[in-house]
Amino acid sequence: EDQVTQSPEALRLQEGESSSLNCSYTVSGLRGLFWYRQDPGKGPEFLFTLYSAGEEKEKERLKATLTKKESFLHITAPKPEDSATYLCAVLNNQGGKLIFGQGTELSVKP
Amino acid sequence: ETGVTQSPTHLIKTRGQQVTLRCSSQSGHNTVSWYQQALGQGPQFIFQYYREEENGRGNFPPRFSGLQFPNYSSELNVNALELDDSALYLCASTEWGDRVRGYTFGSGTRLTVV
Repeated sequence: EDQVTQSPEALRLQEGESSSLNCSYTVSGLRGLFWYRQDPGKGPEFLFTLYSAGEEKEKERLKATLTKKESFLHITAPKPEDSATYLCAVLNNQGGKLIFGQGTELSVKP
Repeated sequence: ETGVTQSPTHLIKTRGQQVTLRCSSQSGHNTVSWYQQALGQGPQFIFQYYREEENGRGNFPPRFSGLQFPNYSSELNVNALELDDSALYLCASTEWGDRVRGYTFGSGTRLTVV
């Protein structure tokens, strides 16, 4: 069964303290792995799509990487405005079902 | 370009009632999907429509049904509401093809069943 597990569930950082979020997955034929940011009471905001192992994408302080079993979201020198829940999801080759992890709640203190 | 818009933003219904949620997909997107998100959890896939036909369904009972219209907007209908149906309902759209770039989500409808 296709599955996504994110760790840690919650992460508290000081402003400027870099860290990484993990997304482990098992999927029958990966069509894409997606990272989203979600603020409380809002819909997920698209960050990145990764398609194959070895691929990397960057945007401002965020960098996403992908292997055959997991993806990392690296946050460099985070700021308080980076505080949010970060969701990882995979799309398999059997239709349009995005399978989400439970998310990592990131809190960045000044 | 306009994003995904959902209506209403909040809704309170009584157990046993029926509800219809609406979604306008992003311009240029031909596929729309619906998700249910409970507090503190990741979104759960309900179903997806591509060119007005359902082309994927999650583990939700038949009382969850939907439609996609020729302009790619969509409705989610839930009959015989139960207390556990209280959640944030999210609509997402994309341009379906060999390479799916990403799904654009709306802000959601917060449904409370009392």
